[in-house]
Amino acid sequence: AQSVTQPDIHITVSEGASLELRCNYSYGATPYLFWYVQSPGQGLQLLLKYFSGDTLVQGIKGFEAEFKRSQSSFNLRKPSVHWSDAAEYFCAVSSGGYQKVTFGTGTKLQVIP
Amino acid sequence: DVKVTQSSRYLVKRTGEKVFLECVQDMDHENMFWYRQDPGLGLRLIYFSYDVKMKEKGDIPEGYSVSREKKERFSLILESASTNQTSMYLCASSGQAQYFGPGTRLTVT
Repeated sequence: AQSVTQPDIHITVSEGASLELRCNYSYGATPYLFWYVQSPGQGLQLLLKYFSGDTLVQGIKGFEAEFKRSQSSFNLRKPSVHWSDAAEYFCAVSSGGYQKVTFGTGTKLQVIP
Repeated sequence: DVKVTQSSRYLVKRTGEKVFLECVQDMDHENMFWYRQDPGLGLRLIYFSYDVKMKEKGDIPEGYSVSREKKERFSLILESASTNQTSMYLCASSGQAQYFGPGTRLTVT
């Protein structure tokens, strides 16, 4: 069965600092990987997705993620965080397009001035 | 642009009432999903549908049913609402990725 682990429940960074959110997945074959962001009281918005090809994926809002098969990881990065990035971030995995998705439990990002 | 709408943002219902949550997508997707989200538990899949009139149970279907009469619409039904169904309900529609609606915050008193 596929699974996702986000080891950090809560992260605090200063505005302008770099950010890396960790995600580890468990899946036998090549996974489909996603990062979503959720602002308080809102639905989830897709930041980026990886299906195949280049292992460094660019997304919206200046985010990127790198797929590392050897480490079963898909970490999300941003070079300079803005106060508006404060939200909860979810990593997710599926066995293919159009299939069920398994979500991690989320990482809450706090941005301080 | 991808658009998934949910009928209500906030809903307050009494115990025992029948509750309908509606979700509409405009992307001609075949797959639609209903989740509930609770603090500390993440997103849990209630039901999903791969086509009109088709439905499959997710991880926590007890106390819920669904209806998919048209491709663009997927309804979640709480036959007799209970206080433990107070939650945030999220609908998603899926092409290669899932796209979410804004959510319905349901309170059952």
